Amino acid sequence: EAQVTQNPRYLITVTGKKLTVTCSQNMNHEYMSWYRQDPGLGLRQIYYSMNVEVTDKGDVPEGYKVSRKEKRNFPLILESPSPNQTSLYFCASSPYGSGANVLTFGAGSRLTVL
Amino acid sequence: GNSVTQMEGPVTLSEEAFLTINCTYTATGYPSLFWYVQYPGEGLQLLLKATKADDKGSNKGFEATYRKETTSFHLEKGSVQVSDSAVYFCALSTNTGNQFYFGTGTSLTVIP
Repeated sequence: EAQVTQNPRYLITVTGKKLTVTCSQNMNHEYMSWYRQDPGLGLRQIYYSMNVEVTDKGDVPEGYKVSRKEKRNFPLILESPSPNQTSLYFCASSPYGSGANVLTFGAGSRLTVL
Repeated sequence: GNSVTQMEGPVTLSEEAFLTINCTYTATGYPSLFWYVQYPGEGLQLLLKATKADDKGSNKGFEATYRKETTSFHLEKGSVQVSDSAVYFCALSTNTGNQFYFGTGTSLTVIP
């Protein structure tokens, strides 16, 4: 089944404790991206990647890092999480970036930072 | 810049009522337009899309027409069902950038 898999689905952590949210896709997609969803703000793009070793900032990159060492994986790293990073996070992929390409989303990762 | 503005929610309708969710956009270049739907506890999934002016996207009884003159892509359904209860997101992407832009989402609840 074609899918985007995120882990963990739920996580409660404390301020400053580094964490990684993994994302993997099995569709051989070139493009992958991370979004956060907050009430009243909709989805905002954090980072995206056009291909292996090619990443770029979205609209809200502060406090996050990403890497794309393999085509299928695109982990989101919070080096020192803070409470304002409490949010619902989505990873998504598409065959190519932008244009008419359709995003396939993961099921989401709900992160709480205390 | 690129942005999407959609109708504030939440929206509550009775079953079989007519639905309209307004969406307008600002874009450089010639955007593709999308409606995504998010059911409770799930990720977003594509509902429909349109890639050029006057195109109509349709799926599951939902329709939206790409109106370049009014920069709009309003979502409509003639008769909603309880199973349509979800959050609906309007989105755009352009050929000149590598980002997708989403509206704030409109929550729809359909009551029997």
